Amino acid sequence: DVKVTQSSRYLVKRTGEKVFLECVQDMDHENMFWYRQDPGLGLRLIYFSYDVKMKEKGDIPEGYSVSREKKERFSLILESASTNQTSMYLCASSYSGSRDEQFFGPGTRLTVL
Amino acid sequence: GNSVTQMEGPVTLSEEAFLTINCTYTATGYPSLFWYVQYPGEGLQLLLKATKADDKGSNKGFEATYRKETTSFHLEKGSVQVSDSAVYFCALFNTGRRALTFGSGTRLQVQP
Repeated sequence: DVKVTQSSRYLVKRTGEKVFLECVQDMDHENMFWYRQDPGLGLRLIYFSYDVKMKEKGDIPEGYSVSREKKERFSLILESASTNQTSMYLCASSYSGSRDEQFFGPGTRLTVL
Repeated sequence: GNSVTQMEGPVTLSEEAFLTINCTYTATGYPSLFWYVQYPGEGLQLLLKATKADDKGSNKGFEATYRKETTSFHLEKGSVQVSDSAVYFCALFNTGRRALTFGSGTRLQVQP
């Protein structure tokens, strides 16, 4: 089975801190994605990557950056966390030939105080 | 741009009741359509999909038909179980941007 893991299930940080959310997939997928999930808004795409060292902005990239140094790992970075970044963050991956079927990690619930 | 609209939840049903969750979309071209499900405490997983008009996706007793004329992809199940309690997301694949666009999700609660 495809497995997508995220480094933390729950995270509490303070305003202004730099936050790293890590995601690792074990199926050699080319594509990786970061979403945030908020009640009533569904999932919104923050950033995605189609290859190592490549990244593209999604719908809500402001306040975030990403890093993909290795194929299996995709990191989301909050340079200076703010309270409006309190949310559930979901990572996903997919095969190059089937970008539409994505496999999701369990999510990280981030609280910024 | 592309968008997906789902019915507001929560939807509360008794076990063995019939389920419909409405989904309509706005998109250019002919996107692929999906239903994803999120069980409590877990990430999303693909439930079913349809890639062209009149296709019917099905899985675990759930069905949805791609209706181009009404731009809809409603999810149905004839007899729900308590274990179907989850949040259901409708989505479309944006071929131009090569990414999924999700609806807001519909929470289903099935009572014994």
